[in-house]
Amino acid sequence: AQTVTQSQPEMSVQEAETVTLSCTYDTSESDYYLFWYKQPPSRQMILVIRQEAYKQQNATENRFSVNFQKAAKSFSLKISDSQLGDAAMYFCAYRGYKAAGNKLTFGGGTRVLVKP
Amino acid sequence: DSGVTQTPKHLITATGQRVTLRCSPRSGDLSVYWYQQSLDQGLQFLIHYYNGEERAKGNILERFSAQQFPDLHSELNLSSLELGDSALYFCASSLSGGLAGGLTYNEQFFGPGTRLTVL
Repeated sequence: AQTVTQSQPEMSVQEAETVTLSCTYDTSESDYYLFWYKQPPSRQMILVIRQEAYKQQNATENRFSVNFQKAAKSFSLKISDSQLGDAAMYFCAYRGYKAAGNKLTFGGGTRVLVKP
Repeated sequence: DSGVTQTPKHLITATGQRVTLRCSPRSGDLSVYWYQQSLDQGLQFLIHYYNGEERAKGNILERFSAQQFPDLHSELNLSSLELGDSALYFCASSLSGGLAGGLTYNEQFFGPGTRLTVL
C-alpha cells in the first residue's frame, strides 16, 4: 500500500521569505501523480500544484514550486515570497495510475504559520 | 467555490444515531469520492462511485454506506454512531476516474465538507 509522510507538523516563515515543506512517499508503482493541497481555516481543500511522475521537470505555479526526486521518493513544496494568505495546513497527496479508481492518499499535513 | 455542494454544513447528533450526508458533484462530473478528516486518522479515502457504481473502497467502516443516484448526487450514511466518528467529511468530484487508474488526469474538486459531531 502506498504511504505518504510529512515529517514537519508545523513550519513558521516570515512574510516575504521562503519556506520548504517536505514530503516522502512509498510506492511500488512507476507511474503516479503527486499533489500539494492547501487547507486554510475555512477547511476548503484547494489544489496548489501537481506533478506527474513521468515528467522530469519540476512543476511550478506562480510562487509555488516543487522539488521532485523520484529515486528518493521525495516531493517537497517551496513557497516563495510568503504571504499572510499562505497560512494554512498543507497536505501532500499521492495517486497511482494503477490504483483502482482515482483515490488520493494523503500525508498527515504541515501547518504553515506566516509571521508579519 | 469548487462547484461541489455538501449538506448539511454541520451536524450534531448522539451516539447510536444514524445520519445521512449529501453531496452534489460539479455539473458534468461522473465520479464522487468521500473522504474523512479526523484528528486520529488524518485525511483518508472512504469510497468512490462512478456513474452510480462503486469503484473503490478505502477504510470505510461496515457501519458506513454510500450510494450514488441516477442524478449523480451521492449520500453517505453513517449508522450506530460512535464518538470516534466525529470528523469532517469531504465529498469530491471529478469528470471521470471510472477506469482503474489510468493515465488520464482527473482533478478532484472538493466540497466544503460536513462537520459531524457525535456527543
